[in-house]
Amino acid sequence: GAGVSQSPRYKVAKRGQDVALRCDPISGHVSLFWYQQALGQGPEFLTYFQNEAQLDKSGLPSDRFFAERPEGSVSTLKIQRTQQEDSAVYLCASSLAGLGTEAFFGQGTRLTVV
Amino acid sequence: RKEVEQDPGPFNVPEGATVAFNCTYSNSASQSFFWYRQDCRKEPKLLMSVYSSGNEDGRFTAQLNRASQYISLLIRDSKLSDSATYLCVVRWVKLVFGAGTILRVKS
Repeated sequence: GAGVSQSPRYKVAKRGQDVALRCDPISGHVSLFWYQQALGQGPEFLTYFQNEAQLDKSGLPSDRFFAERPEGSVSTLKIQRTQQEDSAVYLCASSLAGLGTEAFFGQGTRLTVV
Repeated sequence: RKEVEQDPGPFNVPEGATVAFNCTYSNSASQSFFWYRQDCRKEPKLLMSVYSSGNEDGRFTAQLNRASQYISLLIRDSKLSDSATYLCVVRWVKLVFGAGTILRVKS
C-alpha cells in the first residue's frame, strides 16, 4: 500500500481480555516504531524494530505488552490481560534505514478498555 | 526528567502573528531532529527536519543549538490552518517525541 496501515482502527476490550494490534509498514521500510498516545499527550515510545530485530523495548510499560515482527515487515503489538490504563491510541510508524529519514505514521488504533 | 521537553501552551495568537516554540533534549548523542505537526485525532506528520545550520521552509524556520541541546520553530504570518499541536522529535536510535505545543490561531 501507499502508506502505513494499522488495524483495527478501533477496538473495545473488556478488562482482562487479550488484544492484538497490527501494523503494515510502507514496503521497504526497515525501521518500525510503536507508540502509545494518551489524550492530550505526545506519543510515548514503546518499542523499535530494525527489520525483524527488536533493538529497543525500553518503553513497553509492563510484561503484559509484547511486540513482534517475525519477517521484518508486518508487526503485531499484543497486550495481555488489558487494564483500563491501557486505553489510548497506539501508533505505528515506519522509516527507511538512516537516522535522518522521515518516519511515516499510520492512523493508529484507538483502544478502549471497559 | 523527560528526554524531550516542550512548553505545552496553548499559544493563542491572531492571524498574521509570528510565534516561536522551543524544545530541549537531554541525550547529547541525538543525531537527528524534526518538527512534526499533529491535528486533532489525526496521526503526526512531518513538518520539517532541523539542521545544524538552521533551515527555512516558506513561513517556517527551524534552528538547532547542539551545545545547548535546544531546538526552535518560528512561524511567521500565522494562518488559521496552522492551528495544531507541534511536536518536537529527536532521534538517536529510537525516535522520541516531546509532549507537544498547542497553537491556536484566531481571526
